[in-house]
Amino acid sequence: GAGVSQTPSNKVTEKGKYVELRCDPISGHTALYWYRQSLGQGPEFLIYFQGTGAADDSGLPNDRFFAVRPEGSVSTLKIQRTERGDSAVYLCASSLSMGDEQFFGPGTRLTVL
Amino acid sequence: DAKTTQPTSMDCAEGRAANLPCNHSTISGNEYVYWYRQIHSQGPQYIIHGLKNNETNEMASLIITEDRKSSTLILPHATLRDTAVYYCIVYNFNKFYFGSGTKLNVKP
Repeated sequence: GAGVSQTPSNKVTEKGKYVELRCDPISGHTALYWYRQSLGQGPEFLIYFQGTGAADDSGLPNDRFFAVRPEGSVSTLKIQRTERGDSAVYLCASSLSMGDEQFFGPGTRLTVL
Repeated sequence: DAKTTQPTSMDCAEGRAANLPCNHSTISGNEYVYWYRQIHSQGPQYIIHGLKNNETNEMASLIITEDRKSSTLILPHATLRDTAVYYCIVYNFNKFYFGSGTKLNVKP
């Protein structure tokens, strides 16, 4: 079956702009996670959803970052007033339920000029 | 949050066993040890996980010490395709803290 997909694969934007990154989890997976990975570092937890609700958003770096999952499937990570420091690969993962093995998507590479 | 310590990099000859160590001395009794790997430019891939007992699957074996303060991931017959960054993670309330991992270089 299809794995986790993320769009776009690459996004280049200018400082101060708004961006949206999309994640399509594996069908039937109730838990969805967002991570950020900077060059040479391991993925850093941002937020995870159980169903439609954000169960833990403690990893979001500041209030410019926001994520939604309105119907409990697709999720969108939204970044306002982008800064150069936001440049990274944004990874999405899903699991059948909380605590199960996480399946990762290929990531979206965000570059803020 | 339980923290893990891994060597930055390791080399392994193709066809030989690769043994990747991980220290997690502050692990709590109900926290699992997970291993993921990340091949260049791809998302992390699940390998194996365990709580107390040693575990084996088609990809690898996981050996956890009796005091649970360290573990070793074993790839029994490493191939060039196993070259990747390997992350040892202590699973805590659904948050995965990846750390910097071990870069395994499998050489012909």
